[in-house]
Amino acid sequence: GENVEQHPSTLSVQEGDSAVIKCTYSDSASNYFPWYKQELGKGPQLIIDIRSNVGEKKDQRIAVTLNKTAKHFSLHITETQPEDSAVYFCAASGAYNNNDMRFGAGTRLTVKP
Amino acid sequence: NAGVTQTPKFQVLKTGQSMTLQCAQDMNHNSMYWYRQDPGMGLRLIYYSASEGTTDKGEVPNGYNVSRLNKREFSLRLESAAPSQTSVYFCASSEWGGMNTEAFFGQGTRLTVV
Repeated sequence: GENVEQHPSTLSVQEGDSAVIKCTYSDSASNYFPWYKQELGKGPQLIIDIRSNVGEKKDQRIAVTLNKTAKHFSLHITETQPEDSAVYFCAASGAYNNNDMRFGAGTRLTVKP
Repeated sequence: NAGVTQTPKFQVLKTGQSMTLQCAQDMNHNSMYWYRQDPGMGLRLIYYSASEGTTDKGEVPNGYNVSRLNKREFSLRLESAAPSQTSVYFCASSEWGGMNTEAFFGQGTRLTVV
């Protein structure tokens, strides 16, 4: 099955700096790559996703890049704000089902004011 | 809209006790899921229901059973709780699992088995 590795496990940045979280996946058939943000005491919430036919997607301060050849994808947050502090999860899933979605172990991002 | 609602939010069980975690969604979604979240391991799929009337095993199904009671409700049962089942449990739903649509998560149930 799919295996997703996520780095780093913790990341601390100053407010206004950029943050980058990287994930690799093992199954070349995976074609959907969502990123979830989990705030303390809450369930994960989708913040951005990308499909395998796209190399990059941007939504305001958040962007995701995908390199299918190398089987890795990254989350980029620019101009970080204290409210960006949370745990971020990457995930990868196959062509047809969410049931085979595998999550990375998570990155705890802290943005210092 | 409430989205995905889980009950209870917290539970402590003794080894060998049984309990059912409840989940309901009000978004008319077809697919529902149960995950467990353990430190350093991300979210792991326990069971899922692609549509009303169907259930299938996920990555870590041992020790659990599920029931898709109707389109809205999907429950997770621990028949004989073990300390290894101490975890945070999340229910999620999506419109169509087959199209990799967004999954919406509940707030979680923190379960401790002593």
